[in-house]
Amino acid sequence: SQTIHQWPATLVQPVGSPLSLECTVEGTSNPNLYWYRQAAGRGLQLLFYSIGIDQISSEVPQNLSASRPQDRQFILSSKKLLLSDSGFYLCAWSEWKWDTIYFGEGSWLTVV
Amino acid sequence: GDSVTQMEGPVTLSEEAFLTINCTYTATGYPSLFWYVQYPGEGLQLLLKATKADDKGSNKGFEATYRKETTSFHLEKGSVQVSDSAVYFCALSSGSARQLTFGSGTQLTVLP
Repeated sequence: SQTIHQWPATLVQPVGSPLSLECTVEGTSNPNLYWYRQAAGRGLQLLFYSIGIDQISSEVPQNLSASRPQDRQFILSSKKLLLSDSGFYLCAWSEWKWDTIYFGEGSWLTVV
Repeated sequence: GDSVTQMEGPVTLSEEAFLTINCTYTATGYPSLFWYVQYPGEGLQLLLKATKADDKGSNKGFEATYRKETTSFHLEKGSVQVSDSAVYFCALSSGSARQLTFGSGTQLTVLP
């Protein structure tokens, strides 16, 4: 069966520091991969999605970036964090032909 | 564009009460419809889905029927438990999209 893992689960970072959140999917090949952010108030915002290695689309312009160095690995990064980057970040995946999206456990980021 | 409107919360019920969380949508074509549940501090879990009109999705005692004529996908459960306390998200996906469009979420609290 397929599984998705993301880490770290919790992160407290100072303003201006870099960020790296990592996500891996097991048990499937060539998945679509997604990064969502959930700020206070619960709304979910799609940040990036990827249909293949080095194929990444950005949905919201900001100081975050995403990379997909391997088929089942998706990384969310920032060179300099802002206070407004605080939130709950969710990695997700779907089959390449796409139907249902499945989410990871989430990563809590607090920028101080 | 696609949109999902779901019932404003929070919703507070007593154990064994009947639950309805309303969800209506606007979409082009024939979307798939989903309910996700988010327990405190966790990622989103797929609760149920329906892919065509008149389909009924069900899981863990929850049900929702895809009503094309009323563009609705209301979530129901006949007898809620304290363990059902969570945030519930209605979502849709259109055929050409590579993402989900989410509602704003409904917080459910079940009291013993």
